[in-house]
Amino acid sequence: GQQLNQSPQSMFIQEGEDVSMNCTSSSIFNTWLWYKQNPGEGPVLLIALYKAGELTSNGRLTAQFGITRKDSFLNISASIPSDVGIYFCAGHVYSGGGADGLTFGKGTHLIIQP
Amino acid sequence: GAGVSQTPSNKVTEKGKYVELRCDPISGHTALYWYRQSLGQGPEFLIYFQGTGAADDSGLPNDRFFAVRPEGSVSTLKIQRTERGDSAVYLCASSPHPGPAGANVLTFGAGSRLTVL
Repeated sequence: GQQLNQSPQSMFIQEGEDVSMNCTSSSIFNTWLWYKQNPGEGPVLLIALYKAGELTSNGRLTAQFGITRKDSFLNISASIPSDVGIYFCAGHVYSGGGADGLTFGKGTHLIIQP
Repeated sequence: GAGVSQTPSNKVTEKGKYVELRCDPISGHTALYWYRQSLGQGPEFLIYFQGTGAADDSGLPNDRFFAVRPEGSVSTLKIQRTERGDSAVYLCASSPHPGPAGANVLTFGAGSRLTVL
């Protein structure tokens, strides 16, 4: 099946630093999504990317859909304490024959040191 | 309700027992998804409902897992003869749109944490 390789697995940064994480796959995806999950909660959608090469921002977050449709990155600028959590990339393939679920990476744990 | 509601939030059971997990989606959302999240992993797709019917159940791991959505709103995930490997957080998500467009705008619930002893 499809797999997403997400890196780094965890990040320890200082408040105010910029953060970068990425996701790669051997398969092509039609859509790339980035989610954030806090402990005890479900994932919350941050950014959705629909076109190869697309660069999208949401406040301090910026994400890009790779040209090959096999990768994406997420950047967070000027990190703040509430950015702590697990960030997941997810890909979606429009197969037309079912398989309507998203494929998620294993997540990047973001830890911010005061 | 305002969000996706899942009950119970925690369930501890013994190996071999039967378990039901309930999902109450956002009112008016026609698409409903179940995902399973094991410790240290991302969510894994289980099943997708459009209305009352299961449009895609390709993610269900085996025939011990079954889900229903009889009236097109609340859904129940049923697990028979539970095994220790079933221990995970079971997440429900809903969307106002069917098909691929809907899968890109999911609202997740907080999940039901299942522990099989």
